[in-house]
Amino acid sequence: AQKVTQAQTEISVVEKEDVTLDCVYETRDTTYYLFWYKQPPSGELVFLIRRNSFDEQNEISGRYSWNFQKSTSSFNFTITASQVVDSAVYFCALSEARAAGNKLTFGGGTRVLVKP
Amino acid sequence: DTAVSQTPKYLVTQMGNDKSIKCEQNLGHDTMYWYKQDSKKFLKIMFSYNNKELIINETVPNRFSPKSPDKAHLNLHINSLELGDSAVYFCASSPSGGTYTDTQYFGPGTRLTVL
Repeated sequence: AQKVTQAQTEISVVEKEDVTLDCVYETRDTTYYLFWYKQPPSGELVFLIRRNSFDEQNEISGRYSWNFQKSTSSFNFTITASQVVDSAVYFCALSEARAAGNKLTFGGGTRVLVKP
Repeated sequence: DTAVSQTPKYLVTQMGNDKSIKCEQNLGHDTMYWYKQDSKKFLKIMFSYNNKELIINETVPNRFSPKSPDKAHLNLHINSLELGDSAVYFCASSPSGGTYTDTQYFGPGTRLTVL
């Protein structure tokens, strides 16, 4: 069973629109971390944010914000006033305390296309 | 200044060949990883090493052999390459003993194409 689900495979918006990426995870662990990574067209994976399972505070960083809700097992990501440079594939990932090592389980990714 | 570097960036080879991908990190991290990203962009861990010791060994064909000469390097050797090995391979590193709290920092990826 997939542990991290990103149901939206692709989202297309026009510049300056807001876009929200959904991430739903599944774990039996009570202790875990969630991450978001960005993969721009150039191909590298860029770390954006991490959140531990005990910290449900939402976070804002510039135009990016994250909404973590344990009750619905979701860790959603919003880009406000999107720009063309936000075009990328975004991955949500989970690491669980009980898993050996630091195994990151990734969702399938959401491709965001921001049109000028 | 590159934190996690991989060589080569592109690798095109024939089926049946043996090839290696090198990874180096200058972050002083203790743990390194290999991930495979398939054509549908799905990312899956293959191996992790902590201070030259193998920690994670996912269900990977034994044609794939990681080697860590020191904690700053983790190389991936692939024997008898097959068409299905075509993918992007990412190296990553994290600060401490490979705990679930650590952030992993990724290299630029190596695109392997097997013809």
